[in-house]
Amino acid sequence: DAKTTQPNSMESNEEEPVHLPCNHSTISGTDYIHWYRQLPSQGPEYVIHGLTSNVNNRMASLAIAEDRKSSTLILHRATLRDAAVYYCILRDTGRRALTFGSGTRLQVQP
Amino acid sequence: EAGVAQSPRYKIIEKRQSVAFWCNPISGHATLYWYQQILGQGPKLLIQFQNNGVVDDSQLPKDRFSAERLKGVDSTLKIQPAKLEDSAVYLCASSLEGYEAFFGQGTRLTVV
Repeated sequence: DAKTTQPNSMESNEEEPVHLPCNHSTISGTDYIHWYRQLPSQGPEYVIHGLTSNVNNRMASLAIAEDRKSSTLILHRATLRDAAVYYCILRDTGRRALTFGSGTRLQVQP
Repeated sequence: EAGVAQSPRYKIIEKRQSVAFWCNPISGHATLYWYQQILGQGPKLLIQFQNNGVVDDSQLPKDRFSAERLKGVDSTLKIQPAKLEDSAVYLCASSLEGYEAFFGQGTRLTVV
């Protein structure tokens, strides 16, 4: 599986935007970029995914670099409930299981 | 829509004892996963089922771990005998189309 690199931790203030980076320089053409997050004492939950184009949903936006070697998860207005570990995961079309790294722990200050 | 159900939520056992975890996936989801999450780490895949067949069990310690998914619905994961290093959260997940996975809350196992 192609590897992703994320900062161990980030801090944000409530109601401000948050940009969570992910590097994936060895990404292949068939790899989708997935983001999941894990709230304290919960299982991971799906946030968003994309292939080449930027994606938006009710939770977040995903900005994908033109060369696809990096991506950024954008939370437009962080709330205290967004404090979680965020995982950036690559998965190709032929493999179903998610391979998790250590993720980025996001702290949100009031 | 009901989520992925797991039980028990917590379990404490002594080393060398056996333990079993149960998972009920979202109705209609053909793919079921078991993950192990050690404190401070991301989840690690143990086994993946497609209906009642095993797709990937390459990281399952088969000398002590076993899993089954009878009739392609519920699944059980068993550890026998347990070791101290098996202390972790065991997460079950399911998916319909093989992309978005839905996770249960997990079972926290403590081996003493």
